[in-house]
Amino acid sequence: AQSVTQLDSHVSVSEGTPVLLRCNYSSSYSPSLFWYVQHPNKGLQLLLKYTSAATLVKGINGFEAEFKKSETSFHLTKPSAHMSDAAEYFCVVSGFSSGGYNKLIFGAGTRLAVHP
Amino acid sequence: SQTIHQWPATLVQPVGSPLSLECTVEGTSNPNLYWYRQAAGRGLQLLFYSVGIGQISSEVPQNLSASRPQDRQFILSSKKLLLSDSGFYLCAWREGQTTNEKLFFGSGTQLSVL
Repeated sequence: AQSVTQLDSHVSVSEGTPVLLRCNYSSSYSPSLFWYVQHPNKGLQLLLKYTSAATLVKGINGFEAEFKKSETSFHLTKPSAHMSDAAEYFCVVSGFSSGGYNKLIFGAGTRLAVHP
Repeated sequence: SQTIHQWPATLVQPVGSPLSLECTVEGTSNPNLYWYRQAAGRGLQLLFYSVGIGQISSEVPQNLSASRPQDRQFILSSKKLLLSDSGFYLCAWREGQTTNEKLFFGSGTQLSVL
């Protein structure tokens, strides 16, 4: 079975400082991994995805994530936070439903607050 | 380009009343369609998915049902709402069956059952 754990429910950073949102996954096969962002009153947006190509994945808005198989981690980082980065972030792993169809399994989310 | 429409954006319903949330997709054909629910403090949970007209699979037993009367229409329903049905509901679609295809989400419906 597949699962995903986001280690922090809330992260608070100052504008201009680095961002680290942590995610660990469990999968019995090589997974596809995603990070989605949800801004207040808006729908979910894909930030980046890993699908067994390069282990360092670059996404939109300066975010990137590194797939580390030995640590079963897929942490999201950004060198310098911007006020507009304040949102909820979801780490997602691919999996299979009981009916054998592909599905995505979401973590509980990490709310990122950015202070001036 | 592909777009997904979901309505209403917010809904307040009394316990025991019926529910109908609608989702439509434009600009694609034969999409895989999904209903997710986000409960407070929890991640998104897959409720239903559909790979074609009239084909519905349920992930978890619950008070809700789904239907797909047309290729690009996906409806979430309930005959009698419970308090525990409150939450944020998201419709999503994906073109392919492979797991490396991203999901496109609607803007969501905030449902409050009182």
